[in-house]
Amino acid sequence: KAGVTQTPRYLIKTRGQQVTLSCSPISGHRSVSWYQQTPGQGLQFLFEYFSETQRNKGNFPGRFSGRQFSNSRSEMNVSTLELGDSALYLCASSLVSGEAETQYFGPGTRLLVL
Amino acid sequence: GNSVTQMEGPVTLSEEAFLTINCTYTATGYPSLFWYVQYPGEGLQLLLKATKADDKGSNKGFEATYRKETTSFHLEKGSVQVSDSAVYFCALRRKGANSKLTFGKGITLSVRP
Repeated sequence: KAGVTQTPRYLIKTRGQQVTLSCSPISGHRSVSWYQQTPGQGLQFLFEYFSETQRNKGNFPGRFSGRQFSNSRSEMNVSTLELGDSALYLCASSLVSGEAETQYFGPGTRLLVL
Repeated sequence: GNSVTQMEGPVTLSEEAFLTINCTYTATGYPSLFWYVQYPGEGLQLLLKATKADDKGSNKGFEATYRKETTSFHLEKGSVQVSDSAVYFCALRRKGANSKLTFGKGITLSVRP
């Protein structure tokens, strides 16, 4: 079974631009979560989607948004990019949403904002 | 709030040495606890987990026991290999928080031959 895939793997943008990242979960998985990883803040939860509905949201500004499609693929969008948005963005999927579920992570999208 | 505290790193060990990486947590109720590993240039992989007090998670020679009385979930391995060099993250998932994981800052382990 194919793992979680994320596209693109690397991205360079300039301040003020917007960016869309994509995540394809493992086949059959319906929950997708997004995390931001930076050297300073570590791994921080962005949001979780399950069956096209946002189930949980972290403490990020409204510039960060996401959505999930009927095939469970998810996208996250960051508008008006800031230098501090440079990070590795990780997507994780699980069968359903819940505390006992194992999350499987993708390789991440590395975003550099200049 | 919920938080995870990991010991400061990095950690450098010789091959076949004993490994302990400390992890303590603060959470309401009894969360599920996890150890994830991140190899260079890759995403996170689940190493092991425990979902209730006194549970022991184990995988690939690594072990961790859910200690409610000390709110700890220390990771141990009896004999490390060079291939264990990676970043290790302790994490918790609070009951009712759906799939949200709260991570510690991670610790880099380097194993030299």
